Amino acid sequence: EIVMTQSPATLSVSPGERATLSCRASQSVGSNLAWYQQKPGQAPSLLIYAASTRATGIPARFSGSGSGTEFTLTISSLQSEDFAIYYCQHYYNWPRTFGQGTKVEIK
Amino acid sequence: EVQLVESGGGLVQPGGSLRLSCAASGITFSSYWMSWVRQAPGKGLEWVANIKEDGSEKNYVDSVKGRFTISRDNAKNSLYLQMNSLRGEDTALYYCARGGFYSGLWGRGTLVTVSS
Repeated sequence: EIVMTQSPATLSVSPGERATLSCRASQSVGSNLAWYQQKPGQAPSLLIYAASTRATGIPARFSGSGSGTEFTLTISSLQSEDFAIYYCQHYYNWPRTFGQGTKVEIK
Repeated sequence: EVQLVESGGGLVQPGGSLRLSCAASGITFSSYWMSWVRQAPGKGLEWVANIKEDGSEKNYVDSVKGRFTISRDNAKNSLYLQMNSLRGEDTALYYCARGGFYSGLWGRGTLVTVSS
């Protein structure tokens, strides 16, 4: 099983600032990596797939990069609606696994 | 409207069974892999099982193998999860998700609580 490790666990950011979230895979997953946003009481929402492709309707301030074992989600200028938990997930093989999440909170 | 709606959750005793259902609307259900993903209270996400478009391929996370069965009825646009021999650690919100690799469409979830 591929273990996905996210850092930091919590990120305190002021509105308008940049947020950089990291995700590391225990072995190469190529570009088979997705990012999700989850707000309290809601299902996860797909942000990025194929490591860097924004899902339909996702604002350009969200960008993904990386390949192999190291990945980054960048939110260029945090808006109030962006404070949430973010998960990475690989789909290189079975089982699909998620990172433990990064909580982005208001500083 | 494009949506997935789960049902069938509830309180069950350890060792008991439940069958979850997911009704899909607004999508060509038979064209997609489908999945169940769960989230224990206050915890992260776990991809439990997925099933190919025609049901010919199924995958399960090790923790549920031999206890859970995923199935689908394309004529009814429905996905199912039969859960047997339930344990406390199966307590979670169970989401139905479109896709078997990543998912851009999720239901709101149905809560399964395993407790005596």
